[in-house]
Amino acid sequence: DTGVSQDPRHKITKRGQNVTFRCDPISEHNRLYWYRQTLGQGPEFLTYFQNEAQLEKSRLLSDRFSAERPKGSFSTLEIQRTEQGDSAMYLCASSLETGTGGYGYTFGSGTRLTVV
Amino acid sequence: AQSVTQLGSHVSVSEGALVLLRCNYSSSVPPYLFWYVQYPNQGLQLLLKYTTGATLVKGINGFEAEFKKSETSFHLTKPSAHMSDAAEYFCAVNIPSNAGKSTFGDGTTLTVKP
Repeated sequence: DTGVSQDPRHKITKRGQNVTFRCDPISEHNRLYWYRQTLGQGPEFLTYFQNEAQLEKSRLLSDRFSAERPKGSFSTLEIQRTEQGDSAMYLCASSLETGTGGYGYTFGSGTRLTVV
Repeated sequence: AQSVTQLGSHVSVSEGALVLLRCNYSSSVPPYLFWYVQYPNQGLQLLLKYTTGATLVKGINGFEAEFKKSETSFHLTKPSAHMSDAAEYFCAVNIPSNAGKSTFGDGTTLTVKP
């Protein structure tokens, strides 16, 4: 068990550019979540996958955001035409959830995005 | 919809003193409750959780929390603070029907003075 890995750790990009983040969950975990955290606030839910199916997307996830989890393994989060307001820490978490949400998360270390 | 309020964005204690971090929640149904800790430049780590059963739950690093339904609270405590406890702490709530999606509080930064 190597934990949840996120890549890159830091990303600086110019406004209008596209960026893609990767998350490798714990291999036996069936659920994968993306959260966004801004300074002074707790993580906010973006989206989650059960195996390869994306089951819910937050209103925070505009049409510039897209997430995938091919074959139920790693996941990618892409932001197109980045804006300064996208600057945040993007957190990935995985969970072995078999019921109604009581398992808890294992988080990765996050990807810090700075849009200049 | 559920929500979490963490009272006090910053808490400072002396080494060896009691740690008390407050969390109140709002939920229309019996919730699941969690505490996570975040050390600088690291991801969040699960400290403890309450789902059902015993209302006093023990977690890692000597922390514990008590679910009080009448007070809609889930405060985190540790009898004796250690310098290594300095970190940011997040309380979170899940509604069982929400497929594991958590709502987090805004966090409390704990400072431990020597």
